Amino acid sequence: DGGITQSPKYLFRKEGQNVTLSCEQNLNHDAMYWYRQDPGQGLRLIYYSQIVNDFQKGDIAEGYSVSREKKESFPLTVTSAQKNPTAFYLCASSIGGQRNTEAFFGQGTRLTVV
Amino acid sequence: AQSVTQLGSHVSVSEGALVLLRCNYSSSVPPYLFWYVQYPNQGLQLLLKYTSAATLVKGINGFEAEFKKSETSFHLTKPSAHMSDAAEYFCAVGNTGGFKTIFGAGTRLFVKA
Repeated sequence: DGGITQSPKYLFRKEGQNVTLSCEQNLNHDAMYWYRQDPGQGLRLIYYSQIVNDFQKGDIAEGYSVSREKKESFPLTVTSAQKNPTAFYLCASSIGGQRNTEAFFGQGTRLTVV
Repeated sequence: AQSVTQLGSHVSVSEGALVLLRCNYSSSVPPYLFWYVQYPNQGLQLLLKYTSAATLVKGINGFEAEFKKSETSFHLTKPSAHMSDAAEYFCAVGNTGGFKTIFGAGTRLFVKA
């Protein structure tokens, strides 16, 4: 089945540590996204990528980094510079960047800083 | 600039009652609009989308939404709520700049037995 796989589903991190969240898709989509979800705040865009080896900052990129070395993979690193990293992280993809195309989402990774 | 506003962060209905979740949009160009559903600790799933072909859009699980330009609304409805409809629902609009779909804050639907 085609889809988006995020791993791990739950992740615990000590303060001061970097952590990388995995996102893989087999939908052959060009565009991929990372969102952060906090209660009552909807989805906020962290980074997005239109094609391999290219990515742009979203609305809340500070403290995060990404790479797009392969079309199917878009890992997100939460660095120690992110002041409040505890959140639910969602990866998504779409065929392209046209505004009439829907996004397909992974199951999410819940990150908790302990 | 484009935006969506979902009226009501929480909506509670009885099983078998009408579900109405409200969404108003703001857009300088004809909008493309979406409704997504999110079950607890899961990702979002597309319910339906409006792309100007028809003002009444039917989606999965018995949901539908009507695009009303005069009211700048795209409300989501379902005639009869089921317990399995309890989830969070997000209205969204496709951004004119592409790639940055704009999501509303979400409405959590509770269904009472």
